[in-house]
Amino acid sequence: EPEVTQTPSHQVTQMGQEVILRCVPISNHLYFYWYRQILGQKVEFLVSFYNNEISEKSEIFDDQFSVERPDGSNFTLKIRSTKLEDSAMYFCASGRGRVEYAQPQHFGDGTRLSIL
Amino acid sequence: SQQGEEDPQALSIQEGENATMNCSYKTSINNLQWYRQNSGRGLVHLILIRSNEREKHSGRLRVTLDTSKKSSSLLITASRAADTASYFCATDGGMNTGFQKLVFGTGTRLLVSP
Repeated sequence: EPEVTQTPSHQVTQMGQEVILRCVPISNHLYFYWYRQILGQKVEFLVSFYNNEISEKSEIFDDQFSVERPDGSNFTLKIRSTKLEDSAMYFCASGRGRVEYAQPQHFGDGTRLSIL
Repeated sequence: SQQGEEDPQALSIQEGENATMNCSYKTSINNLQWYRQNSGRGLVHLILIRSNEREKHSGRLRVTLDTSKKSSSLLITASRAADTASYFCATDGGMNTGFQKLVFGTGTRLLVSP
């Protein structure tokens, strides 16, 4: 069964450094998402991406964050200048259609980002 | 913003018993989904119920939805040790968000002992 794959599985970065988290969504999916989960807390929406542009973003997704689909397969999340509070598990997800049209999202196993 | 709250936060049962988890939400929705998360892994979609449905089954899973009470329940029958995981409800974010995203609840940690 097709899967969403994320790399790396664990990223350790010094505060203030840039980090890029990578995802390969399922190939025939059109909607792409990033979520994060701080240890012991809820999974929180960051951003959704469709047709090569951001369709929605949360208040967490400030100017330090950006997303890109540089080619036909990868979907990346960049954090420009990391802060301690960016430490979390970051999940990429993809879906064939919009959530409101009863389309499930398929999640990768996440990247654990640790900011020192 | 919408919040989902699961209840109980943790549930410990024996293999073969049934497990029931509840979820409440605050705004109107088009659908509600349940996901499972094994420790250190991503979320796996289990089942989706539309707002015009009241009950849905999938294998050992039964989901109910009461839109008047803004609540849902997930029943796992004849549980197995492999069902040990965290379970989350997620809604489509409601009208104010354009229904674009999943809004997750706080989760129920289920432990099934052999």
